[in-house]
Amino acid sequence: DVKVTQSSRYLVKRTGEKVFLECVQDMDHENMFWYRQDPGLGLRLIYFSYDVKMKEKGDIPEGYSVSREKKERFSLILESASTNQTSMYLCASSGEGGGSNYNEQFFGPGTRLTVL
Amino acid sequence: KNEVEQSPQNLTAQEGEFITINCSYSVGISALHWLQQHPGGGIVSLFMLSSGKKKHGRLIATINIQEKHSSLHITASHPRDSAVYICAVRSWRTSGSRLTFGEGTQLTVNP
Repeated sequence: DVKVTQSSRYLVKRTGEKVFLECVQDMDHENMFWYRQDPGLGLRLIYFSYDVKMKEKGDIPEGYSVSREKKERFSLILESASTNQTSMYLCASSGEGGGSNYNEQFFGPGTRLTVL
Repeated sequence: KNEVEQSPQNLTAQEGEFITINCSYSVGISALHWLQQHPGGGIVSLFMLSSGKKKHGRLIATINIQEKHSSLHITASHPRDSAVYICAVRSWRTSGSRLTFGEGTQLTVNP
């Protein structure tokens, strides 16, 4: 089974702190994604990466950066956390090529971040 | 207007009822996904389809490419089906395996 893990389930930070959210997948997937999920807005893509050291902005990249130094790990960084970044953050990964799971995204359990 | 619209936003049913959740999209797609999210839990993929119909247990997903519409049906609903159901599409114009999501349908099945 594909496993996507996230470093924390719950996180509380203060305004202005630098926050790191880590995501690790064990299926050698090329693609990795960071989303945030807010009531009434659904899932919104922050950044994604289709290869090591490659990244593309999603729909709401402002205030965030990402790092992908190894294929299995994709980090989301909040350079200076703000209260409007309080949200549920979900990581996902997907593979390329053929097979029945082609293009299916596998999600981590989520990190609920509260910024005070 | 969102590229992916789901209806209804909220749905309450009695155990045993037949449930339908609808998804309409406005872009050309290569695949449509139905996802399930339980309270406090992660998201799991239920179906990925590009044509026709798929069935898994009590769940059935259909898609009509010409009408840009998909439905998720749950037969003999049960309280454990209570969750948020999310429709997502992979459009031809986006890069990689990026998905565009609907806002989700909150389903509550009462015993």
